[in-house]
Amino acid sequence: GDSVTQMEGPVTLSEEAFLTINCTYTATGYPSLFWYVQYPGEGLQLLLKATKADDKGSNKGFEATYRKETTSFHLEKGSVQVSDSAVYFCALEFQGGKLIFGQGTELSVKP
Amino acid sequence: KAGVTQTPRYLIKTRGQQVTLSCSPISGHRSVSWYQQTPGQGLQFLFEYFSETQRNKGNFPGRFSGRQFSNSRSEMNVSTLELGDSALYLCASSVPAGGRADTQYFGPGTRLTVL
Repeated sequence: GDSVTQMEGPVTLSEEAFLTINCTYTATGYPSLFWYVQYPGEGLQLLLKATKADDKGSNKGFEATYRKETTSFHLEKGSVQVSDSAVYFCALEFQGGKLIFGQGTELSVKP
Repeated sequence: KAGVTQTPRYLIKTRGQQVTLSCSPISGHRSVSWYQQTPGQGLQFLFEYFSETQRNKGNFPGRFSGRQFSNSRSEMNVSTLELGDSALYLCASSVPAGGRADTQYFGPGTRLTVL
């Protein structure tokens, strides 16, 4: 079945470091791909999305490119801030309002 | 525009009881999806409603049910609660386009604790 695999956390970085969170997926077709972020005690917020191969989603300095050949959607940011500390979820969706999530990656940024 | 709202935010129940959670979508959104979040299983899809019809369902027992009203508000019900039902229940709404759901916007969740 369809699934999403993320790199395990927690990931601990110093402020201004480069961030990569790996995400790969298994799917029978061509889903839409998403990154969501969850801050402590809150629901999920959409960070970025891509709906077809080679699309690049970007928001708040975060970027991810839909790579069909490697079935990947890695999240990157050039310079993280303490305020980026949160749990990040990669997800895919075909249709019918059903998101399939990865297990989440906790990011901790130290000043 | 107001976001997705969920009530109540926190709930404590005992085993064997039943519970009803409520979700009000963003105005104009007609699709509502529900998810269960636990430390062990992560985020799992429960079901999705559009125009008062369940369009998609996850792999949960029949104790988990839901419905959607004509104003797009949705409720989910869990009967005969078990300890393992303790979780954060998240609701999300979206504007389906051409049969393919658009971006889902999440509410803050209802934290259910079963004792």
